[in-house]
Amino acid sequence: DADVTQTPRNRITKTGKRIMLECSQTKGHDRMYWYRQDPGLGLRLIYYSFDVKDINKGEISDGYSVSRQAQAKFSLSLESAIPNQTALYFCATSERDRGLTDTQYFGPGTRLTVL
Amino acid sequence: AQTVTQSQPEMSVQEAETVTLSCTYDTSESDYYLFWYKQPPSRQMILVIRQEAYKQQNATENRFSVNFQKAAKSFSLKISDSQLGDAAMYFCALCSGGGADGLTFGKGTHLIIQP
Repeated sequence: DADVTQTPRNRITKTGKRIMLECSQTKGHDRMYWYRQDPGLGLRLIYYSFDVKDINKGEISDGYSVSRQAQAKFSLSLESAIPNQTALYFCATSERDRGLTDTQYFGPGTRLTVL
Repeated sequence: AQTVTQSQPEMSVQEAETVTLSCTYDTSESDYYLFWYKQPPSRQMILVIRQEAYKQQNATENRFSVNFQKAAKSFSLKISDSQLGDAAMYFCALCSGGGADGLTFGKGTHLIIQP
């Protein structure tokens, strides 16, 4: 079984609808992240969480919200979807190394299309 | 703010040959990690190799190695004995500040393997 799973894998929705993307992990990591990938661009950080009580905005958080329901679950919501939120969304997890920074492991991605 | 630049949108190499993908970065942090991720058509983000900035020795993982030039802020990826399965998008990424800002990605290089 995959260590980091995302549901759904693909979703088509309409403008104005509320959408939730879910991420679960069995790696036991404390840190979780949501990224967005647009064509021709690398991934950009939307939100991140270093533990259940810690939520932080990333580079492009406007129009998104998150919920860390448990150490293993981190959900991303689009309260009112708009077409320019059409993108590939990735969840990632990491665990702090003994060093200063950590290595992130990614889920399979969710392709979201907003019509 | 930290930045990552990949100046080669696309590279092509003959099977069994060697190819080098370029990456430059900028950060004001003294402690950071650098990564190369591979994204095949399946869209999964796969960690290829990572380099700790405090280590002078270049990281190596089987056919993959890096040339880390800290003073020049350069982090290139060398793929030896290229295989058809190496065809993918390759992203250079930087993590600094204890991971507080997640990963900063370059825009990627599309690697084509010619049989």
